[in-house]
Amino acid sequence: EADIYQTPRYLVIGTGKKITLECSQTMGHDKMYWYQQDPGMELHLIHYSYGVNSTEKGDLSSESTVSRIRTEHFPLTLESARPSHTSQYLCASSGEREIYEQYFGPGTRLTVT
Amino acid sequence: RKEVEQDPGPFNVPEGATVAFNCTYSNSASQSFFWYRQDCRKEPKLLMSVYSSGNEDGRFTAQLNRASQYISLLIRDSKLSDSATYLCVVNSGNDYKLSFGAGTTVTVRA
Repeated sequence: EADIYQTPRYLVIGTGKKITLECSQTMGHDKMYWYQQDPGMELHLIHYSYGVNSTEKGDLSSESTVSRIRTEHFPLTLESARPSHTSQYLCASSGEREIYEQYFGPGTRLTVT
Repeated sequence: RKEVEQDPGPFNVPEGATVAFNCTYSNSASQSFFWYRQDCRKEPKLLMSVYSSGNEDGRFTAQLNRASQYISLLIRDSKLSDSATYLCVVNSGNDYKLSFGAGTTVTVRA
């Protein structure tokens, strides 16, 4: 089993609230990723990081921001949640040995009302 | 055009049957190819990498056709536990990012 954790698992929040989705991994992986996935749809990369203090926007435009102050921690923040942010958010990481094998956390299912 | 396209299915097959499906990718410069498995409302997990010469892992066989830009997955002797969505995944660039297809759903019935 992969050692990558996400909290909360489920979140229902009102429009305009600020939220932070947590992601942590204990595998010492340098690369971490955030994906957004709607039901029946492909995963879309919204942010990634190749190491501490390195963050990049992904292929899907997102109003969220991320930080990477510690290797094991890669939180995602939405400053002002909107109903269009309702989705499943998946965090993943990969290491030096198998660089394309991404290990995923269980996801956060976000609903903005 | 999407980078990775898959037939969404569903493929409904009886236990013990063989099921096969493809995915196509648009970037001819793509270097690495994978099949991930995603169970309902769960996270994706790597099933197998796909090598140029084709490869097997137990009941699963993956093939790559670079000329036609598609990869395939064949499942022999299907089990109920094979019911899942199979994601075609491609690395196309000089970085570590992956592009995911929307998945092919397989349902194995008793």
